[in-house]
Amino acid sequence: DTGVSQNPRHKITKRGQNVTFRCDPISEHNRLYWYRQTLGQGPEFLTYFQNEAQLEKSRLLSDRFSAERPKGSFSTLEIQRTEQGDSAMYLCASSLAGVETQYFGPGTRLLVL
Amino acid sequence: ELKVEQNPLFLSMQEGKNYTIYCNYSTTSDRLYWYRQDPGKSLESLFVLLSNGAVKQEGRLMASLDTKARLSTLHITAAVHDLSATYFCAVDIVRKIIFGKGTRLHILP
Repeated sequence: DTGVSQNPRHKITKRGQNVTFRCDPISEHNRLYWYRQTLGQGPEFLTYFQNEAQLEKSRLLSDRFSAERPKGSFSTLEIQRTEQGDSAMYLCASSLAGVETQYFGPGTRLLVL
Repeated sequence: ELKVEQNPLFLSMQEGKNYTIYCNYSTTSDRLYWYRQDPGKSLESLFVLLSNGAVKQEGRLMASLDTKARLSTLHITAAVHDLSATYFCAVDIVRKIIFGKGTRLHILP
């Protein structure tokens, strides 16, 4: 399977804990996006990478959120000091510059107790 | 701030009927996407519209883009039950991509 993969698929944590999610994009894709989606809403843009450079970051991303894409391959999204409001589905997508179609991963569902 | 509005937010329709979902956005963009999401699943790309007047069709779905009116439409022809899903439009502003709230489509047999 050469699609976008995300790990873990589910995460339950206690408030105040740190969590880290991983996204493996389609191998030749140089663009990578992170989104957050809550029930009944559209995905909410968090950040965008082109290769290893983080070119856009939503103002919605507080200091507790950070994302990296070392070497322009996989990406990680870390949430520090989780809050109950962080409970959501975190989606990763990748695309190839010039083609533009985004391919979404299955998502990581986070529940903060 | 960019706003993306979809209408309607919920649509229940009979099989065999035609209908259109509208996506209005508030700032200049020449890049618009349509996605489908089934319950509990991730998003599937349907169309990428890259220029004014772009029209794309796949099966019973056809999407168009009017950048001057800041409007995109997703037209459903002779709906079938398998098209029941939530449909999102999303607007690209220099790689910051803003989604609408989605249109939940329920097609009755």
